[in-house]
Amino acid sequence: AQKVTQAQTEISVVEKEDVTLDCVYETRDTTYYLFWYKQPPSGELVFLIRRNSFDEQNEISGRYSWNFQKSTSSFNFTITASQVVDSAVYFCALSETFSSGSARQLTFGSGTQLTVLP
Amino acid sequence: EAQVTQNPRYLITVTGKKLTVTCSQNMNHEYMSWYRQDPGLGLRQIYYSMNVEVTDKGDVPEGYKVSRKEKRNFPLILESPSPNQTSLYFCASSFRTGNGYTFGSGTRLTVV
Repeated sequence: AQKVTQAQTEISVVEKEDVTLDCVYETRDTTYYLFWYKQPPSGELVFLIRRNSFDEQNEISGRYSWNFQKSTSSFNFTITASQVVDSAVYFCALSETFSSGSARQLTFGSGTQLTVLP
Repeated sequence: EAQVTQNPRYLITVTGKKLTVTCSQNMNHEYMSWYRQDPGLGLRQIYYSMNVEVTDKGDVPEGYKVSRKEKRNFPLILESPSPNQTSLYFCASSFRTGNGYTFGSGTRLTVV
């Protein structure tokens, strides 16, 4: 079984503040993938990042950064100098192998609604 | 352009009237899946398919059917929709490796 927990249901920050979205996962797989998606008010899912279980290197992309720590089963997402356009729902997701080993299943957390106020 | 196409984008229907939401991908992906999104619950998997003629239940399959007669298509069928199936639905596809998923734009379904 797998599980993804995003304990922060809603977060509000003022523009230019830094904000961290937490993601904790559970899996018995040794090989798995973690993802972050953004869902703006228009509703589509926008892929942000993928990280495989063997790569614990943190990643930075512009104002976005991700901290992957296997020891605590966490994959946290930080937005630096937040902007109003960052307002969205953010989902963390885990891809784990089916028991048959033939394919993988993607499980989502419940999402964090981020509101950035001007 | 590589994409997953869902139709329709918006649908309002009445209880009990059968409907189909179509999903098509042009990436030759083996794996396809349907999710529903409800407030506070994230996206939950309804059904998935590992290849043609191979489908299986996800976490919330009740009230839904699917078929996979061709690799590119994976329609979601609601034979007798009920108001509790009002939701935002997403279709997704990937290769077996599961290291990248492509999502459709979503279908907002309202059952009255």
